[in-house]
Order: sequence, then structure tokens, then C-alpha cells
Amino acid sequence: DTEVTQTPKHLVMGMTNKKSLKCEQHMGHRAMYWYKQKAKKPPELMFVYSYEKLSINESVPSRFSPECPNSSLLNLHLHALQPEDSALYLCASSLTPDSPYEQYFGPGTRLTVT
Amino acid sequence: AQSVAQPEDQVNVAEGNPLTVKCTYSVSGNPYLFWYVQYPNRGLQFLLKYITGDNLVKGSYGFEAEFNKSQTSFHLKKPSALVSDSALYFCAVRGDNAGNNRKLIWGLGTSLAVNP
Repeated sequence: DTEVTQTPKHLVMGMTNKKSLKCEQHMGHRAMYWYKQKAKKPPELMFVYSYEKLSINESVPSRFSPECPNSSLLNLHLHALQPEDSALYLCASSLTPDSPYEQYFGPGTRLTVT
Repeated sequence: AQSVAQPEDQVNVAEGNPLTVKCTYSVSGNPYLFWYVQYPNRGLQFLLKYITGDNLVKGSYGFEAEFNKSQTSFHLKKPSALVSDSALYFCAVRGDNAGNNRKLIWGLGTSLAVNP
């Protein structure tokens, strides 16, 4: 099973709302990632969790707050977003972060900020 | 600095013809190379990777890629294209050096259109 699940599939939120994106994998992977992707562009790395610890933050604004409650779950908490934050948010996982293992992606959450 | 180039924004090919999507890279140390595909309104799917060994790598859906160290290339190929192969293709690279091993560097993508 190489499935990464993400909920919700679509999210519309106002600039004052608080919402969360969820990601789950049951492949025993110990690295999990959040990416932001604009249409027809490559994904942009936001955060990397390695063995449930935040190992990379790509200078993401504090209105995005990641959380890794356990090795299977990854959340992205959203607060006071801007319209330019509208994008496809992708979660991915890999066996470990330090080896040449491929990343498996979820289907993404399409976020629209109004 | 690490980089990936996909020189063609778009590739058009007739169904049944062979297809090639090009990728060149620059990385310190030995490269780990990956191809991903993204269908409209979907997440990315892993197609294949090169780590070491045989320069010709076979992957999902009949795709293969050839690693060429002297030309620093990793072109994606398929002998006979299908209309359903129409999608956005991304090449990505990681170096094997300790300082670079946590981030994938992505190409800008190549849109493949297979015409019936």
C-alpha cells in the first residue's frame, strides 16, 4: 500500500478563519513533507518532519503551523491566510529523509482564500 | 548549486509514437534522480528513479529513463505513447552529500500532450 491520504479535498476560507489540513500514511515512513503547488508549477517545499521532529522549515510565514502528532499523521494549521496562499497543498512521505527513497504524494487539498 | 532543467515546456506526440521528455541536472556528489507525473487536479505520482547501477531504469506504466553521466541527463522515454499519458511531468534530483540529502530539487515541468 503506497497511499497517502489528505483531507479535506477542497477548502474555502476567509482571511480571518482558522482551519487545518490533515495527512495520513500507514507505510511506516519516518519522513513527512508539506508542499505548496501553484498551477502548472513544481511543488515548493514548506516543511519536513523527520522521525516526528521538524527538521526543515523553508522560511514559511507563521500563519502556517505544522504539527506531527505521531509517525502516521501530519497536520497543517492555517490562520489569517492571504489570497496569495490559495494553492494546492500536497503532503508526501518517504521511508526516511536521509536516503534516496522516493516520496509518495497525497492527492492534495485545493485551498482557496477569499 | 543543485539544479534541474527541463528544456521543453511542452512536448506533443502522436499516439503510438515514441516519446521523450528531457531532463538535465547539476548536483554535487552522485545524483539520485526521479521522475514524477501529475494528472490534472491530482497529486504527483512517482514513476521511476535512478540511484546506481544500470543506466536504463524501468518504471511504472511502461516508462523508462536513461541515465547519462557524461551528459548529466536523465531523459524519460516510452516506446509507444498513449493518449492517457497526457500529463505534466517533473524531473527531480537529490545529491548524495550529507548537506544536500534532504531536499529534492525540481525541474519546472514538461507538459506532454499525446494526440489521437
